[in-house]
Amino acid sequence: GAVVSQHPSWVICKSGTSVKIECRSLDFQATTMFWYRQFPKQSLMLMATSNEGSKATYEQGVEKDKFLINHASLTLSTLTVTSAHPEDSSFYICSARSSLWTNTGELFFGEGSRLTVL
Amino acid sequence: GIQVEQSPPDLILQEGANSTLRCNFSDSVNNLQWFHQNPWGQLINLFYIPSGTKQNGRLSATTVATERYSLLYISSSQTTDSGVYFCAVVSGGGADGLTFGKGTHLIIQP
Repeated sequence: GAVVSQHPSWVICKSGTSVKIECRSLDFQATTMFWYRQFPKQSLMLMATSNEGSKATYEQGVEKDKFLINHASLTLSTLTVTSAHPEDSSFYICSARSSLWTNTGELFFGEGSRLTVL
Repeated sequence: GIQVEQSPPDLILQEGANSTLRCNFSDSVNNLQWFHQNPWGQLINLFYIPSGTKQNGRLSATTVATERYSLLYISSSQTTDSGVYFCAVVSGGGADGLTFGKGTHLIIQP
């Protein structure tokens, strides 16, 4: 299967600082990538859809000024949590689909990034 | 948006037992995937199965799209099968991203 890599796996930061998480598709090109958030013992919730070369589409209730998404190339999307607060502590996971597929294609997930804000 | 319901929410079995996990969805789907989330949080792709039946070793899955459900079968369970199993779908008429169910937490006891 296709490989999606996330970095960093773990990050601890102080309240008020910003944190950037990278998501890379290693062996395929991805026009579209997706960012999810998972709180402890809960399911994954879609935060935003990242489109290469255009603005991200955010789900209802997700603050676009707090969660900045940049998809500058066909293999890289970044999520920046700005002015992080303890309530932003969560597990963030990205996923990607090959550009060869429409929305019927299989999605592959990164390893996830666990953010702890002190 | 589309609703995804998984059952049972929790399941405890002895090693060697068989199990069936169910996923119901409220609308037509373009994509359905089953995942196993390991203790470190990583999502392992089990099946991409918008319709039909597939098998991979001790695991198999069936999706009946017309009746809006999918089943995941685990045979001869092993302790390493423990974890959370998620069903996720892409709605036929909605956004491109996967919508996840709440998962089934499976514990296999030795």
